[in-house]
Amino acid sequence: GAVVSQHPSWVICKSGTSVKIECRSLDFQATTMFWYRQFPKQSLMLMATSNEGSKATYEQGVEKDKFLINHASLTLSTLTVTSAHPEDSSFYICSARTITDRQETQYFGPGTRLLVL
Amino acid sequence: GQNIDQPTEMTATEGAIVQINCTYQTSGFNGLFWYQQHAGEAPTFLSYNVLDGLEEKGRFSSFLSRSKGYSYLLLKELQMKDSASYLCAAMDSNYQLIWGAGTKLIIKP
Repeated sequence: GAVVSQHPSWVICKSGTSVKIECRSLDFQATTMFWYRQFPKQSLMLMATSNEGSKATYEQGVEKDKFLINHASLTLSTLTVTSAHPEDSSFYICSARTITDRQETQYFGPGTRLLVL
Repeated sequence: GQNIDQPTEMTATEGAIVQINCTYQTSGFNGLFWYQQHAGEAPTFLSYNVLDGLEEKGRFSSFLSRSKGYSYLLLKELQMKDSASYLCAAMDSNYQLIWGAGTKLIIKP
């Protein structure tokens, strides 16, 4: 079945540094990728929607200058947390949407844990 | 390898009860999540089980058997608004989520 990978799985960084997280669709092309943030035992909070070749659409309250999204190809989207601070520590999950047999399906990645010290 | 299986689609009648099953194989285990996702929306957290047994939350209950690698989500008194996809996700020893493909639940009047 379709698989979405994220890299890295874990990242620990110092406050003020930037962190890049990659999201790849491994065996399908994704016209749209989504970035979520999850707090323990809570719903996934949509941060932004990323379409290949165009600017990402950010949800209200998400700083676009802080969370830079680049969807360079149909199989890769990146989220860069710039000048990370401890409050950015979280579990970041991406998903990729594809259409097969006129059916739209969303596949989720395993997540990336970010800890900012 | 790591794997999660759940049915692709289920149909039930308004007012009835439906059980959505999920089986998993993971490297280590740190709990199992159920989410509800309506079309075009972000997944909503429903439940988290890490110990064996049944946890009830209103009309929704979730069950886990670690020895069998099995969980189910039970929905009672079905309402039309329960029509959605239900995602099962297991957390492995690295605290990574292994996602099922989702079960599309169709509720008929």
